[in-house]
Amino acid sequence: DGGITQSPKYLFRKEGQNVTLSCEQNLNHDAMYWYRQDPGQGLRLIYYSQIVNDFQKGDIAEGYSVSREKKESFPLTVTSAQKNPTAFYLCASSPLYTGELFFGEGSRLTVL
Amino acid sequence: GIQVEQSPPDLILQEGANSTLRCNFSDSVNNLQWFHQNPWGQLINLFYIPSGTKQNGRLSATTVATERYSLLYISSSQTTDSGVYFCAVPGVGGTSYGKLTFGQGTILTVHP
Repeated sequence: DGGITQSPKYLFRKEGQNVTLSCEQNLNHDAMYWYRQDPGQGLRLIYYSQIVNDFQKGDIAEGYSVSREKKESFPLTVTSAQKNPTAFYLCASSPLYTGELFFGEGSRLTVL
Repeated sequence: GIQVEQSPPDLILQEGANSTLRCNFSDSVNNLQWFHQNPWGQLINLFYIPSGTKQNGRLSATTVATERYSLLYISSSQTTDSGVYFCAVPGVGGTSYGKLTFGQGTILTVHP
């Protein structure tokens, strides 16, 4: 089945540790995105990529890093510099020409 | 940046009732999406509707781009319609495909 797979679904980390969230898509979409959602809030854009080996910062990129070595994959690293990392993280992809977003199931990160 | 406002923030219905959710945006856009976030957090695409009217079963949506609003209609609501409904439009300048700015959402609760 075509879709977007995020892993892990739930993740716990201690303060000061980096953690990497995986996002893989088999929709053959050029563009991929990471959004963050806090309780009772809408989504905010962290990073996005429109082509392999290129990515741009979104509205809240501080404390995060990404890579885009393959079209299918767009992992997100939450670094120890992110001051409030506990959140729900959603990965999305879209065709470049329409921008219609499709989302994965999300990864819930809790910092202990 | 572009502002997106959704109303009402909360809506409680009895099963079988109809409802209208509204999304206002502050700038011209060439893309608008409606999503349903289920209780497990997954965002489900409802409509990709830059303009005009679309229908999908009990749901329909209308976007009037010239007046900067969109409406989502839910008819004969069911308990499975419960969740949060988001509208989203492109961010910078309203034309950046896929880089969506989300509203705060409407929380819909349907009682049996």
